[in-house]
Amino acid sequence: DTGVSQNPRHKITKRGQNVTFRCDPISEHNRLYWYRQTLGQGPEFLTYFQNEAQLEKSRLLSDRFSAERPKGSFSTLEIQRTEQGDSAMYLCASSSPALELFFGSGTQLSVL
Amino acid sequence: QKEVEQNSGPLSVPEGAIASLNCTYSDRGSQSFFWYRQYSGKSPELIMSIYSNGDKEDGRFTAQLNKASQYVSLLIRDSQPSDSATYLCAVIKYSQFYFGTGTSLTVIP
Repeated sequence: DTGVSQNPRHKITKRGQNVTFRCDPISEHNRLYWYRQTLGQGPEFLTYFQNEAQLEKSRLLSDRFSAERPKGSFSTLEIQRTEQGDSAMYLCASSSPALELFFGSGTQLSVL
Repeated sequence: QKEVEQNSGPLSVPEGAIASLNCTYSDRGSQSFFWYRQYSGKSPELIMSIYSNGDKEDGRFTAQLNKASQYVSLLIRDSQPSDSATYLCAVIKYSQFYFGTGTSLTVIP
């Protein structure tokens, strides 16, 4: 499978716990993006990487959120001290040189 | 002002009809435009990209771009029940992709 891979598909956690999601982009894509999507809304930009460098982070993003992309390959998104408002679909995407964005299947987070 | 605006719908068309989906964007400097289809509970899937004024056709889909009016549209010909989904418009600005809230389309058999 050469598409964008995300794990886990679903995560249920209790409020206050930390969670970490993983994304493996399409191998030849050097740009990787994280988005969050809630019901009835479009994907909301969180952050993006070009290779291992995190080039931009949304101003709306809480300090509880952090992302890494060591060695410019896979990426992780960590949410510390989760809150119920963090419940959403977390989408990872990588972009081709033509700047077309391809999404993984997403991680559905439920914070109880 | 949002970067991308879409009518949330829902839009209903009978099977075999043409579905027309519309999108406006706020930044005249936007260069690249995309349409994504998203089925319920699934992630967005790229349908079309368009970069220059005019029409671009791919099978039953036609994307139309009018930069002067800051307007992008997607036409779906011979609509099928399997086309029932939410359609997201997206634009690029400074390497960021901005998405509209999507238009829900239902094709009635």
